[in-house]
Amino acid sequence: RKEVEQDPGPFNVPEGATVAFNCTYSNSASQSFFWYRQDCRKEPKLLMSVYSSGNEDGRFTAQLNRASQYISLLIRDSKLSDSATYLCVFTDTGRRALTFGSGTRLQVQP
Amino acid sequence: GAVVSQHPSWVICKSGTSVKIECRSLDFQATTMFWYRQFPKKSLMLMATSNEGSKATYEQGVEKDKFLINHASLTLSTLTVTSAHPEDSSFYICSAKSGSINTGELFFGEGSRLTVL
Repeated sequence: RKEVEQDPGPFNVPEGATVAFNCTYSNSASQSFFWYRQDCRKEPKLLMSVYSSGNEDGRFTAQLNRASQYISLLIRDSKLSDSATYLCVFTDTGRRALTFGSGTRLQVQP
Repeated sequence: GAVVSQHPSWVICKSGTSVKIECRSLDFQATTMFWYRQFPKKSLMLMATSNEGSKATYEQGVEKDKFLINHASLTLSTLTVTSAHPEDSSFYICSAKSGSINTGELFFGEGSRLTVL
């Protein structure tokens, strides 16, 4: 089983739609979780951290389910500018580097 | 926020030549930098962890003699792709942490797209 699994998409949604992505991880020692956003041919940028209690940042909500070993990202009221690839990322105990999922591509259409 | 600069952004070279990519932290000191590579529509794969003043730590399957890493100062790490071949063509990205290791946020360079002919 892969360390991190994400549906590659693409998810094609109209403006204003709500869309959700999941990401499963296999390493139960995984400690910290994040969602990064990567635009085409650009470097990844941190979107938000994911906390056990769930957290929200504007139109974005992230959740972590340790029992089922997945994290999720919910985007409400999608904007054209949300079109990008969303990478789920984690670290495990004692490891300073981040491990990246392959990303889910979102295309918001007018 | 913290800034990491990577150079060059694009490089095209002939097979058999060596290419050096620089990664600089512009407004902070980075004792550790990370080198990733990314193939089209694929995930970022960690190649190595670059430690200032000591040898880099390479991930399994990454040839250390092929991908030479030097981290001579707290603001500069270099990756040299030696005797490059077409299969080395990829997007190489460096990154560094500012502050606590556990903050999680990595600052990435702009990436270097290498094409080997």
